[in-house]
Amino acid sequence: ELKVEQNPLFLSMQEGKNYTIYCNYSTTSDRLYWYRQDPGKSLESLFVLLSNGAVKQEGRLMASLDTKARLSTLHITAAVHDLSATYFCAGDSSGYALNFGKGTSLLVTP
Amino acid sequence: DAGVIQSPRHEVTEMGQEVTLRCKPISGHNSLFWYRQTMMRGLELLIYFNNNVPIDDSGMPEDRFSAKMPNASFSTLKIQPSEPRDSAVYFCASTPSWGYNEQFFGPGTRLTVL
Repeated sequence: ELKVEQNPLFLSMQEGKNYTIYCNYSTTSDRLYWYRQDPGKSLESLFVLLSNGAVKQEGRLMASLDTKARLSTLHITAAVHDLSATYFCAGDSSGYALNFGKGTSLLVTP
Repeated sequence: DAGVIQSPRHEVTEMGQEVTLRCKPISGHNSLFWYRQTMMRGLELLIYFNNNVPIDDSGMPEDRFSAKMPNASFSTLKIQPSEPRDSAVYFCASTPSWGYNEQFFGPGTRLTVL
């Protein structure tokens, strides 16, 4: 079974700083997904990474995938308060269901 | 475009009562997933359907839980009898095609069992 581990699980960072969230997975995953969840809200799809070396960017967030290292990263550039949320990564080794990590709770402070 | 629709959004019930959660996937999506989210256990996959057929229900915690998908536009998750430990947020998600699994989540149902 595909296991997905994220670190850190909790992250407090100042506005304007950069940081990276790491997502390691245990076995081959066809694709890697990143989701965002605001408190009390649903999960919103951020990125779908389809192949080795894939890089996607949206605003201050950039996600990348290294299938050989079984690693995906979510890089935050010049953080702003609006980015405070929980970020999940997920992989799919079975072709249909996703295996989610435990999530990284990000708090951006002034 | 309407997203995934879930009802009710909030449900408060007493232990022992039957609870039915409802989900309408995005039109044209043919895979549907039920998840449960708690602080302690995180996001857990309960069951998923493809073309209305249950594919894997190994995540369903007990026989008290059952799920159906009578047609492509409707699914239910039933808990009977409910217990306080079932209190959680239940999400429904759907995907547009087999093998490409970006899942689109509904708003969730917050269930409280007293």
